[in-house]
Amino acid sequence: NAGVMQNPRHLVRRRGQEARLRCSPMKGHSHVYWYRQLPEEGLKFMVYLQKENIIDESGMPKERFSAEFPKEGPSILRIQQVVRGDSAAYFCASSRGAKETQYFGPGTRLLVL
Amino acid sequence: GNSVTQMEGPVTLSEEAFLTINCTYTATGYPSLFWYVQYPGEGLQLLLKATKADDKGSNKGFEATYRKETTSFHLEKGSVQVSDSAVYFCALSEGGGADGLTFGKGTHLIIQP
Repeated sequence: NAGVMQNPRHLVRRRGQEARLRCSPMKGHSHVYWYRQLPEEGLKFMVYLQKENIIDESGMPKERFSAEFPKEGPSILRIQQVVRGDSAAYFCASSRGAKETQYFGPGTRLLVL
Repeated sequence: GNSVTQMEGPVTLSEEAFLTINCTYTATGYPSLFWYVQYPGEGLQLLLKATKADDKGSNKGFEATYRKETTSFHLEKGSVQVSDSAVYFCALSEGGGADGLTFGKGTHLIIQP
């Protein structure tokens, strides 16, 4: 019974490049959440998606960040023109339904040089 | 807005000691409350939860009681083990887990043999 899968686990990018982070939810889960964890900080909510829909993106920066959860395939968090301040751990969580517990993936640690 | 405040770490204890990690919250409605644990290099794992006032969540010897009158959800364990060493996050959700979680900054727990 596979848990939430994220890849890559580690990603290094130079300033100005694009970063693509992938999240495959647990089997049977159709709700996905993305969080960012800055060094020495707690996790901050970014965006909540269901299949093909963004439900809540109130925590997502307005510029350079986007997220999708297509009908087929994993959810993607995309960061364009990365800057050093984007260096963080990005966690994905999934849930079966709208009022159910969120289960977290192992995270992608992004380092921007 | 919602917020979660946890005691600052690191917290260092000897094996078999009694553990308390304080957590208080601010919320506009009636949130669900959670404790997550993060082991080094891993994602967050749900430790326990409580969805309404006076509920007690428990798992693996850990307990926390939802105290609406003091807006608290303190984590306790009677006898800690070295394997309990990890970072513990208190979190809340207004929507019963449906929306983005609001996290505290985390408390690093170190258990010495």
